[in-house]
Amino acid sequence: GDSVTQMEGPVTLSEEAFLTINCTYTATGYPSLFWYVQYPGEGLQLLLKATKADDKGSNKGFEATYRKETTSFHLEKGSVQVSDSAVYFCALSFQGAQKLVFGQGTRLTINP
Amino acid sequence: NAGVMQNPRHLVRRRGQEARLRCSPMKGHSHVYWYRQLPEEGLKFMVYLQKENIIDESGMPKERFSAEFPKEGPSILRIQQVVRGDSAAYFCASSPTGGLGNTEAFFGQGTRLTVV
Repeated sequence: GDSVTQMEGPVTLSEEAFLTINCTYTATGYPSLFWYVQYPGEGLQLLLKATKADDKGSNKGFEATYRKETTSFHLEKGSVQVSDSAVYFCALSFQGAQKLVFGQGTRLTINP
Repeated sequence: NAGVMQNPRHLVRRRGQEARLRCSPMKGHSHVYWYRQLPEEGLKFMVYLQKENIIDESGMPKERFSAEFPKEGPSILRIQQVVRGDSAAYFCASSPTGGLGNTEAFFGQGTRLTVV
């Protein structure tokens, strides 16, 4: 079945470091891809998405590019802040489908 | 415009008791989804409902679990005769239309169920 595999956490970085969180997927067909973020004590929020190959989603300094050839959607940010500390979830869904398939989540901690 | 509201935030039940989890979707949203997050795992789809209808319950355990979304009031996820393995975070999401490939789902803060 369809699945999403994320880089294992936790990940700890210093402020202003470069961030990459790897995400790969297995799916029949071409899904839409998402990154969700869960800040402490809050629900999941959509961070960015891409709906077709080579699309780049971006928001709040984060970027991810839909790579069909490597079935990947890695999350990157050039300079992280303490406020980026959260759990990040990669997910996929198909147009017309009613469910999101999530990775296991990656906990990110940024130290000042 | 309030977001998706879930209550209670934390729920403790003894083995064999019933757990009722409530979810009020965002205003104007008629599509509700329930997900379960076991410790150290990702969110797993449980059920998708529209008003008064269960559309997809392929992720629901066959026994003890049920869900409803009545014409009036919140969506309810009900777990009967809870066991320790039911301990998890339960998240509700809502969307204005179906088809999550294109439509954003908005999530609540979750209910953390602990079975003792």
